[in-house]
Amino acid sequence: GESVGLHLPTLSVQEGDNSIINCAYSNSASDYFIWYKQESGKGPQFIIDIRSNMDKRQGQRVTVLLNKTVKHLSLQIAATQPGDSAVYFCAENRGSYKLIFGSGTRLLVRP
Amino acid sequence: DAGVIQSPRHEVTEMGQEVTLRCKPISGHDYLFWYRQTMMRGLELLIYFNNNVPIDDSGMPEDRFSAKMPNASFSTLKIQPSEPRDSAVYFCASSLAVNTEAFFGQGTRLTVV
Repeated sequence: GESVGLHLPTLSVQEGDNSIINCAYSNSASDYFIWYKQESGKGPQFIIDIRSNMDKRQGQRVTVLLNKTVKHLSLQIAATQPGDSAVYFCAENRGSYKLIFGSGTRLLVRP
Repeated sequence: DAGVIQSPRHEVTEMGQEVTLRCKPISGHDYLFWYRQTMMRGLELLIYFNNNVPIDDSGMPEDRFSAKMPNASFSTLKIQPSEPRDSAVYFCASSLAVNTEAFFGQGTRLTVV
């Protein structure tokens, strides 16, 4: 029979616009979160991280927001570029540094 | 530093054969992770080590899978006997300490026919 794979949600944005990628996590005890970018044929690449004692952290063109009340994480990319096209994963530390990944979001940047 | 190094990059083997995947973490990193990535299940944590000691292997699919870390600079993931459903990309990652970024290798694409 036909196999069913993960259906990755896809976000399509115009080059130059801002992108917001969302992630819901399940474990209220998770205390550390990371966003990764994965391009085709490559391993996940670190983008930015945040600890649970913070609700916002900024990097170069990226911002991560953490809402512990609703267990929600978001990644904002400013002035999205074609090179930002990739699959983005959030990961959470579920204790003793057990890093668990979400299912991912595909970002497509339209020229 | 060259980053996390995995070998081989690609492996094609016949069902029933033993497969060994290798990983060299970044020097000085205390944590090492093995992940498996498939279209069906995404990125799954198989096992991780702290200072060469396995901490959590609850993600290892079954007894056919085993992982070792004989020293701080080398780890192996072995599948014996391999099955077609083991076909996936296997990633190794390492990190310096708790709650610091984990660096990934380029992965080993395993195909079992």
